[in-house]
This record gives sequence, C-alpha cells and structure tokens, in this order.
Amino acid sequence: KNEVEQSPQNLTAQEGEFITINCSYSVGISALHWLQQHPGGGIVSLFMLSSGKKKHGRLIATINIQEKHSSLHITASHPRDSAVYICAPHSGGGADGLTFGKGTHLIIQP
Amino acid sequence: NAGVTQTPKFRILKIGQSMTLQCAQDMNHNYMYWYRQDPGMGLKLIYYSVGAGITDKGEVPNGYNVSRSTTEDFPLRLELAAPSQTSVYFCASTRDAYGYTFGSGTRLTVV
Repeated sequence: KNEVEQSPQNLTAQEGEFITINCSYSVGISALHWLQQHPGGGIVSLFMLSSGKKKHGRLIATINIQEKHSSLHITASHPRDSAVYICAPHSGGGADGLTFGKGTHLIIQP
Repeated sequence: NAGVTQTPKFRILKIGQSMTLQCAQDMNHNYMYWYRQDPGMGLKLIYYSVGAGITDKGEVPNGYNVSRSTTEDFPLRLELAAPSQTSVYFCASTRDAYGYTFGSGTRLTVV
C-alpha cells in the first residue's frame, strides 16, 4: 500500500507569498495528481505529472520519481487560492485508482 | 458538457434507513469510482468499476453495494445506514485511469 505524506498539514500565509506544499510517497508510481478542494466544494484536478515539472498560470508542480517526492508551488498567492490541496499518486498497476494524501489546508490572508 | 453529476448534494438519514447515491457521467469513461472523505483523512476507495457489468471492492466496501448496468451510471447503495457512514461521498470517472473528473460530492449525515 502506498503511504502518502503531505506537509505542512495547515498553512496560513499573506497574499503575495510564495507557497510550497510537499508530498512524499512510499511506493513507486507511474503518475501523480495534485487536486484542489475549496471549502464545501468539489474536487478539481490541477495537474497530472509523471516526470519533471508542469506549470499552469501561477501554479507549478514538480516531481522526482527516484526520490518519491513531489511539490506544488503557488507564486504570488491570492486569497482565492485558499483551499485544500491533495496529493494523489497513481501506482499504475491496476484499475483501482488513486491513493490520497490527507491534504494541506491553505489559507491566504489579504 | 456536464461531466460527473452526483445527487443528492445533502442528505440526512436515520439509523437503519437505506438510500442510493446517484452518479452519472457523460464522457463515455470506462472507469468509475466511489470514495468517501472523512475529516482529517484522505479519500478512501469504496468500490470501483472498469466497465458496464464489472465492479470490484475497494478499501472500505462494508455496508455499501454498487451496480454498473450502463457506462454512464454508477449508483452507490447504502443498506441499514449507520453513524459510521456519516461522510462526504465523491464519485469520479476516468477514460484511461489517469485523467480524473470528480463529482461535486454528497454530504451524508446518519443520525
């Protein structure tokens, strides 16, 4: 079973700050997802990556497959970025989907 | 272009009652999943399906049943509801087991 650890669990920052959320996992994977969940809301997929780095707007995700580690960065953070960010590795060995971290609860204060 | 549609959004059940959570997708995805999300915990897989007529248990299947008679629909049945089933339930689908689309969730309280 893939053990997924996210850090930090909670993060409060000021608007404009650079944010980093980390994810480590125990079992080799084929891909990793970063998901976003707003309070009381649904879950949206931000990134799927299997190597290197991806960038969407102010969001950057990196992964080191050998180190079993991924990071999600937010540049020029804004209050609308306040959400729970969830790391979800995909082992690729079967159809039983993803393993999920517990999430990082991010609050960006104006 | 609805994606994954879950109904209802909220429900309160009494202990021992039964209900069905509905999930429908219009993307012709083969893979569908039911997860539950408890406070402070990662999502846990209840059941999944790789296509019409095929379902399999996930990590926490006890107290639930599913069926997949069509590609579009994947209902989750709760029989004899218990307080331990109080949770937020998410349905998800994917074509290729990599790009996932999630429903908006069903918040269920069992009292």
